[in-house]
Amino acid sequence: DQQVKQNSPSLSVQEGRISILNCDYTNSMFDYFLWYKKYPAEGPTFLISISSIKDKNEDGRFTVFLNKSAKHLSLHIVPSQPGDSAVYFCAASADGGTSYGKLTFGQGTILTVHP
Amino acid sequence: DAGITQSPRYKITETGRQVTLMCHQTWSHSYMFWYRQDLGHGLRLIYYSAAADITDKGEVPDGYVVSRSKTENFPLTLESATRSQTSVYFCASGLANTDTQYFGPGTRLTVL
Repeated sequence: DQQVKQNSPSLSVQEGRISILNCDYTNSMFDYFLWYKKYPAEGPTFLISISSIKDKNEDGRFTVFLNKSAKHLSLHIVPSQPGDSAVYFCAASADGGTSYGKLTFGQGTILTVHP
Repeated sequence: DAGITQSPRYKITETGRQVTLMCHQTWSHSYMFWYRQDLGHGLRLIYYSAAADITDKGEVPDGYVVSRSKTENFPLTLESATRSQTSVYFCASGLANTDTQYFGPGTRLTVL
């Protein structure tokens, strides 16, 4: 039972355009969401997060949108750069961001940004 | 160097052998985690620890054993390795009251 789903295994975008990565979840108890970025042969690195009390959080070129009624979140990268090419994981927590070890990850989406 | 390290980075073993993957962090984070990454599954939590001598099961704990006698170390042992345990293993650490976890570089384990 995949509680966090990233239905697009891959996404290809031109440099300078917008990248939109999507994530759906089924567990209504999830109240904190994170995006991680992973380069080959490295561990995932934290990118951005959002609490369920918000519907948007922005950090530079990265914006995460949360639609609680649809149980859907998305990561927007504007403008996309070749260095953004990586695997992006969506993750969710049901403990309000208190690190009790219960992050549930999606399968990941491979983003390729072409020069 | 400060951070979180894993050793070995690559390991090939045979079915039935015991294997221990090491994880060391220098931040004094209270929480530490072990995940495995497999195609189609993303990252799945194996075990986690809230502090020294406190560990708990995650989503996929069968076939694994952990211990945490010191805050900075969190070894993961496969007592009798199986082919299905071929995977990339990531260790992570984090502070209490935050869900942000910091990951090590990973160990690629192959069980023949």
